[in-house]
Amino acid sequence: GQNIDQPTEMTATEGAIVQINCTYQTSGFNGLFWYQQHAGEAPTFLSYNVLDGLEEKGRFSSFLSRSKGYSYLLLKELQMKDSASYLCAVGDSNYQLIWGAGTKLIIKP
Amino acid sequence: IAGITQAPTSQILAAGRRMTLRCTQDMRHNAMYWYRQDLGLGLRLIHYSNTAGTTGKGEVPDGYSVSRANTDDFPLTLASAVPSQTSVYFCASSELAGGATDTQYFGPGTRLTVL
Repeated sequence: GQNIDQPTEMTATEGAIVQINCTYQTSGFNGLFWYQQHAGEAPTFLSYNVLDGLEEKGRFSSFLSRSKGYSYLLLKELQMKDSASYLCAVGDSNYQLIWGAGTKLIIKP
Repeated sequence: IAGITQAPTSQILAAGRRMTLRCTQDMRHNAMYWYRQDLGLGLRLIHYSNTAGTTGKGEVPDGYSVSRANTDDFPLTLASAVPSQTSVYFCASSELAGGATDTQYFGPGTRLTVL
């Protein structure tokens, strides 16, 4: 079967760095997305990786290793507004997105 | 402001009733999707449409139907609601068909409770 694993919840301190991991087992691979979802709101796009390596976008970076079935989202200089759930999603061989359950990130002052 | 709208925002429905969730986008995107989101589970695809006039089944299509008469609208119908359909429903769209390789934009969601 297809599976996306992420930690359920993480806690970090304002101003610090946090890494959210995602491992996947899917039938085929057509890219990996990270989305942010604040409580009670819709998911919004953060990043997309299709090749191995690190993609940097401001305070957020995303890394992919296709051989290991692994990705991480790195958030630097954490702000209180970064408190949200972070969703990992992988495109499978049918070109449909398989979604992880999300990681709830709690930022403490 | 361009984007996706959904209606209603929330609804409480008696089991056995028929319900249509509405979704409209004004970005002229080709593809549209319906997901449900349940606590502890990832978003699950119900139905999708790669272009106007075509629809396809996702991971959890049973009990739901969709239509895509034009580019902008993609309604989701529950023919006879059951309590297990209690969930938050998100509509999404992407410019390209085959949403695994293109950014999806989400509507604000409909919170549905079936009693």
